[in-house]
Amino acid sequence: ETGVTQSPTHLIKTRGQQVTLRCSSQSGHNTVSWYQQALGQGPQFIFQYYREEENGRGNFPPRFSGLQFPNYSSELNVNALELDDSALYLCASSPGTGVSTEAFFGQGTRLTVV
Amino acid sequence: GESVGLHLPTLSVQEGDNSIINCAYSNSASDYFIWYKQESGKGPQFIIDIRSNMDKRQGQRVTVLLNKTVKHLSLQIAATQPGDSAVYFCAENMNVQFYFGTGTSLTVIP
Repeated sequence: ETGVTQSPTHLIKTRGQQVTLRCSSQSGHNTVSWYQQALGQGPQFIFQYYREEENGRGNFPPRFSGLQFPNYSSELNVNALELDDSALYLCASSPGTGVSTEAFFGQGTRLTVV
Repeated sequence: GESVGLHLPTLSVQEGDNSIINCAYSNSASDYFIWYKQESGKGPQFIIDIRSNMDKRQGQRVTVLLNKTVKHLSLQIAATQPGDSAVYFCAENMNVQFYFGTGTSLTVIP
């Protein structure tokens, strides 16, 4: 158990809708990163939040946005859902944002867009 | 962007044998790597990490080797057990993100 919890575990949405996914980081960790994992692929970095600020972003469009709260929990919001957004969304918790900092993943949220 | 590749997409081993999973990375400036294990329907589980100032690190039944000259990582699992069946990813750390390959699926034959 990593102590990183995500909700919900599964979600079905219709194309064009909006979705919010949630993540609680491990105790003592102030950094949360979000990843998208398509079926049969490795996770791809969406963005990272450190002390409530976006601290880095991967190659995802602006309709992917996020928040981090004072307790370091985080949300991932996706607007105008597309069929290709169907994936496992993973949250990773880290004790800091420096290089050589380990990252521990939650169980993920399986999003299906129909 | 960075790429992390794996030499073999699938690997089958007999229970009790040793497993070796290989990974190539592309950026010689990368200085931190993690091996993850992912079981079906679950998130990636941290197995072992290694920093670029090391060439070997051992954990419980696992060893990671790093060859910076050829930009290659390997994960060795001793006495492979059925519970080791999963997809294994190496992840390369650059700036704030990890770059993952597509993974190697390990199947342990009883």
